[in-house]
Amino acid sequence: KNQVEQSPQSLIILEGKNCTLQCNYTVSPFSNLRWYKQDTGRGPVSLTIMTFSENTKSNGRYTATLDADTKQSSLHITASQLSDSASYICVVSGFGGYQKVTFGTGTKLQVIP
Amino acid sequence: NAGVMQNPRHLVRRRGQEARLRCSPMKGHSHVYWYRQLPEEGLKFMVYLQKENIIDESGMPKERFSAEFPKEGPSILRIQQVVRGDSAAYFCASSPKETGTEAFFGQGTRLTVV
Repeated sequence: KNQVEQSPQSLIILEGKNCTLQCNYTVSPFSNLRWYKQDTGRGPVSLTIMTFSENTKSNGRYTATLDADTKQSSLHITASQLSDSASYICVVSGFGGYQKVTFGTGTKLQVIP
Repeated sequence: NAGVMQNPRHLVRRRGQEARLRCSPMKGHSHVYWYRQLPEEGLKFMVYLQKENIIDESGMPKERFSAEFPKEGPSILRIQQVVRGDSAAYFCASSPKETGTEAFFGQGTRLTVV
């Protein structure tokens, strides 16, 4: 069964600090992995997408890494801001034909002043 | 190019009533996905549609739930005889081709059953 597990479930950090969110998956065969940011009461917004051959991808203060061998990904947030407070969702897609995506349950990040 | 539009944003229904949720995909997108998100839980796939076709409805309850994506007009997720357990946020996503993770999400419809 395809699964995507994220850790930690929730995290509180001080403004300006860095943090790293983890995503482990069992989806196979693997096509791509995307990190979404979901603000409370809003729809998810894509941050990064990585395919099998990509190890790292950045989007401003967000840097995602992927190790397809160990089936692990991380999202690193640098110099956190209050607006980073949100849920971060890891989404993994299989390969071939219609790609049914598997969503992680997310990490709820709270940045406090 | 407007994003994925969902309406209404909030919907309150009494038990036993019908709920209709609408989703207008982004211009040029012919693939629509519906997801349900219960409080404090992740998004769960419900149904994947292309114009006039249901491709995969494996995530949708067999009773009371139906979805359509007509040739003209928005995609509709219909819930008949709603129960309290249907209270959730329902998100629609659209994509230009058959790959879910390139999908763009709407703001969701928050259904509350009283």
